[in-house]
Amino acid sequence: QQQVKQSPQSLIVQKGGISIINCAYENTAFDYFPWYQQFPGKGPALLIAIRPDVSEKKEGRFTISFNKSAKQFSLHIMDSQPGDSATYFCAARNYNTDKLIFGTGTRLQVFP
Amino acid sequence: IAGITQAPTSQILAAGRRMTLRCTQDMRHNAMYWYRQDLGLGLRLIHYSNTAGTTGKGEVPDGYSVSRANTDDFPLTLASAVPSQTSVYFCASSPDSGANVLTFGAGSRLTVL
Repeated sequence: QQQVKQSPQSLIVQKGGISIINCAYENTAFDYFPWYQQFPGKGPALLIAIRPDVSEKKEGRFTISFNKSAKQFSLHIMDSQPGDSATYFCAARNYNTDKLIFGTGTRLQVFP
Repeated sequence: IAGITQAPTSQILAAGRRMTLRCTQDMRHNAMYWYRQDLGLGLRLIHYSNTAGTTGKGEVPDGYSVSRANTDDFPLTLASAVPSQTSVYFCASSPDSGANVLTFGAGSRLTVL
């Protein structure tokens, strides 16, 4: 049973477009929601994160939107660039275990 | 450069053989983790250690064991490898057990035939 459901599995976007990746969860014990970015042959790296007391967090071209009542959060990449091509993982931390549960990942390809 | 070193980078292994994946960090982080990454399944936690001398089971611990004799090293052992353990394995660490920011190694690709 996937505790954090991520979609789409893959995404193709043209340069300059907006990339949107969605995640949903059921467990109300989640208290921290990071996104990790992974380039081919590398380990994942923290990109941006949000706590449930805010509805949006923006860092440069990357924005997390968080809907606590719907138990959904999403990553928006504005003005997508070929260098953004990577696999993106959403995650949620269970405050009872202090452990992250990852989504299944989204492979983003940005074409010039 | 501070970070996590994993070895080997890649390995092909016959089923039934014993294998240890090595992980060393130089950031003096207290918590360390082992994840496996499989297409369509994302990253799943195998074992973790909140501090030297302690270990715990994650989501998919069966067939794996770990030890944490000191702060820097966190090896993952497959006692008798099976084909379903073919995967990419990532070691990670965080300053404390809160898992706020995980630093990952570059991964070890393991193929069990």
